[in-house]
Amino acid sequence: QKEVEQNSGPLSVPEGAIASLNCTYSDRGSQSFFWYRQYSGKSPELIMSIYSNGDKEDGRFTAQLNKASQYVSLLIRDSQPSDSATYLCAARASSSNTGKLIFGQGTTLQVKP
Amino acid sequence: DAGVTQSPTHLIKTRGQQVTLRCSPKSGHDTVSWYQQALGQGPQFIFQYYEEEERQRGNFPDRFSGHQFPNYSSELNVNALLLGDSALYLCASSYRSQETQYFGPGTRLLVL
Repeated sequence: QKEVEQNSGPLSVPEGAIASLNCTYSDRGSQSFFWYRQYSGKSPELIMSIYSNGDKEDGRFTAQLNKASQYVSLLIRDSQPSDSATYLCAARASSSNTGKLIFGQGTTLQVKP
Repeated sequence: DAGVTQSPTHLIKTRGQQVTLRCSPKSGHDTVSWYQQALGQGPQFIFQYYEEEERQRGNFPDRFSGHQFPNYSSELNVNALLLGDSALYLCASSYRSQETQYFGPGTRLLVL
């Protein structure tokens, strides 16, 4: 069973700090990775996708991918209370021709004013 | 530009009943994937529909079935409901089966 692992948290950071969220995956053939944000009682919202080793930046968000270490991370700079949510890491299954996503259980982030 | 829509938003059923959930994909999308999210867990892949066919199924029993219509909308049917079927059911749409998936608001199902 291919897996995606995340620390469930909660991860607590003060407002204005950098939040670092981490994820490891077991499917070495996975090529596509996604970060979704999910507010309590809501559905997942896509934040970023990343396909190549290295960093990808979008505003206050930076996704990092290291395929050799099978590690994906999301950095949130200048964290705001509105960033408080569960962050889901997902990997596209390599054995799938359908884009099936395998999700971690999510990390809960709390940004304290 | 309409996003992914799902209906109903909430549903309460009793054990043994059957339920049908509906999804309309984002404008321009032709593929629908269904996921089940239990409380405190990440979404689990149920199946995907593309060109009106089930393309892949996750580890879910045959009680879970689906359909895709010519307008790309989709239904998820669950028969003989169990208490463990209580969850948030998410529909995600994409353009072609391997492109980025965008989620609808979900249907929260409670089985009593």
